[in-house]
Amino acid sequence: DQQVKQNSPSLSVQEGRISILNCDYTNSMFDYFLWYKKYPAEGPTFLISISSIKDKNEDGRFTVFLNKSAKHLSLHIVPSQPGDSAVYFCAASTVSGGYNKLIFGAGTRLAVHP
Amino acid sequence: DVKVTQSSRYLVKRTGEKVFLECVQDMDHENMFWYRQDPGLGLRLIYFSYDVKMKEKGDIPEGYSVSREKKERFSLILESASTNQTSMYLCASSFGRGGGPQHFGDGTRLSIL
Repeated sequence: DQQVKQNSPSLSVQEGRISILNCDYTNSMFDYFLWYKKYPAEGPTFLISISSIKDKNEDGRFTVFLNKSAKHLSLHIVPSQPGDSAVYFCAASTVSGGYNKLIFGAGTRLAVHP
Repeated sequence: DVKVTQSSRYLVKRTGEKVFLECVQDMDHENMFWYRQDPGLGLRLIYFSYDVKMKEKGDIPEGYSVSREKKERFSLILESASTNQTSMYLCASSFGRGGGPQHFGDGTRLSIL
């Protein structure tokens, strides 16, 4: 059972426009959510996070929105740039044996074209 | 900057071999993790460790074991490699017991023939 779902395997956006990546989760006990970006042949790099007590967090061109009632979060990139082309993973933090671990979605491949 | 280094970028082994994947981090992080990444499945947690000589099973530990003899080093062991263990393996580390960001290495692409 996938507790964190990214239902869009890919997304194509024109440079300068908004990119919206979506993520749904099933476990209401998740209390912290993160987005990672991954380029080919590199490890994922942390992008932005949000606590469950907030509904929005912004960092430059990147904004994450959290809708707890819908168990849904989204990452907005405005404006999109070609360098944003990568795979984006959504992750949720949960406690296991007293220690936090992350549950990842399957990823969305974003292509930003000129 | 946190540096997580995985010993090999590419590795080819044969079925039945014992395979060792090594990971070293330089930021004195307590926690270390091993994941595998497969298309359509995202990152799945194999094992993690929150202290030296401590280990916890993740979501898919079968066929794997780990070793953490020193704080900075976390090894993943495939006891008897099988073709379904062909994958990208990613090591990560993080600080403390909170759910803060994990820092990843660049991965080892392992092929089992």
